[in-house]
Amino acid sequence: GEDVEQSLFLSVREGDSSVINCTYTDSSSTYLYWYKQEPGAGLQLLTYIFSNMDMKQDQRLTVLLNKKDKHLSLRIADTQTGDSAIYFCAESKVGGYNKLIFGAGTRLAVHP
Amino acid sequence: KAGVTQTPRYLIKTRGQQVTLSCSPISGHRSVSWYQQTPGQGLQFLFEYFSETQRNKGNFPGRFSGRQFSNSRSEMNVSTLELGDSALYLCASSLGTSGDTDTQYFGPGTRLTVL
Repeated sequence: GEDVEQSLFLSVREGDSSVINCTYTDSSSTYLYWYKQEPGAGLQLLTYIFSNMDMKQDQRLTVLLNKKDKHLSLRIADTQTGDSAIYFCAESKVGGYNKLIFGAGTRLAVHP
Repeated sequence: KAGVTQTPRYLIKTRGQQVTLSCSPISGHRSVSWYQQTPGQGLQFLFEYFSETQRNKGNFPGRFSGRQFSNSRSEMNVSTLELGDSALYLCASSLGTSGDTDTQYFGPGTRLTVL
């Protein structure tokens, strides 16, 4: 089936690390994505990982994929107030022709 | 390189009317996908076009339709608008040549309000 789940809210202190979690159910997923959405804006692609990888690092962002548990996480190091936004996890499937299945989004609030 | 552009950015319509939204993909991208974002249902896939052909379609009624032109620009149309069609409509473009999936880049969206 098609289902991507995320926790809805995360609050962190500026300078700390944030970890946003996501679980997916479809084992035929090919790519898993993290998008960021700021108020009134579209979706900004942050990073993605191919489903045969375990980890990907891109500057302050680290993506971990546990295929056995179908669990994906996004770690943001040294979180800043500008990181406050909604973060969406999404998966695509083999033969899906670019159809992305999104989670509900995690609202990240960064406070001083 | 310019990003994905969508016009108009905001629209207000009344029930029963129809609306056309436009999306211009990143130069060189041939695939355009459309998504609807609402507070209740989240982000849902509408359809995807590649080389003027619809390759995939989500679970939306026939009132939602789209097309793609030879320059890869795409339009989506919603006929007989209902209050529940109020949403942010997002367009995404990608190279589209993998035949499977590739990285999609989103536009800023069109905010449609149906009164």
